[in-house]
Amino acid sequence: QQQVKQSPQSLIVQKGGISIINCAYENTAFDYFPWYQQFPGKGPALLIAIRPDVSEKKEGRFTISFNKSAKQFSLHIMDSQPGDSATYFCAASKASGTYKYIFGTGTRLKVLA
Amino acid sequence: EAEVAQSPRYKITEKSQAVAFWCDPISGHATLYWYRQILGQGPELLVQFQDESVVDDSQLPKDRFSAERLKGVDSTLKIQPAELGDSAMYLCASSWGAVGGTEAFFGQGTRLTVV
Repeated sequence: QQQVKQSPQSLIVQKGGISIINCAYENTAFDYFPWYQQFPGKGPALLIAIRPDVSEKKEGRFTISFNKSAKQFSLHIMDSQPGDSATYFCAASKASGTYKYIFGTGTRLKVLA
Repeated sequence: EAEVAQSPRYKITEKSQAVAFWCDPISGHATLYWYRQILGQGPELLVQFQDESVVDDSQLPKDRFSAERLKGVDSTLKIQPAELGDSAMYLCASSWGAVGGTEAFFGQGTRLTVV
């Protein structure tokens, strides 16, 4: 109930390609889904987040697609760049009350120049 | 730009010794989190504070770990005694609100190695 399952574990994409990372959750009470980007030796930083009242959110080259009925959400990175090489974590939380973030296991993305 | 400060950045300690980590959240952030991140895994919450009160410490190994945020500002996480399995990155994060839907800002973490 508390898990957030993330795939793939690692991903290699050519420069200019599309990177897609998927996450699935079980707890239907979750209603806030952020994606965090982490570079080696650094703490995670918020990339983009979505609430289930919309099916898609786009910020620049980054898009979250959300499927409430399937309890799945995904991150799409368009025109992937070598600078996007990092580890990406999806997370889930409740947007009300003092609730923690549940993180996925992470996807290590490498974008080849 | 405001950021979450953590110290030390790296710590090597011997098994059975005590170790402490310090975190100074972004000014005005009421919620403070301590996460543990094992290499290759996602962060796992150890303890969450709302001001000076603990709101979630269900995953904190209380026989050896303790955390405090006495004045509702900075916080200390202590491990005593340290075990080999405690080797990990310890991340502190803060957010302005009590609700889980507000952005959590992370510090750079403390990399702990227990030998």
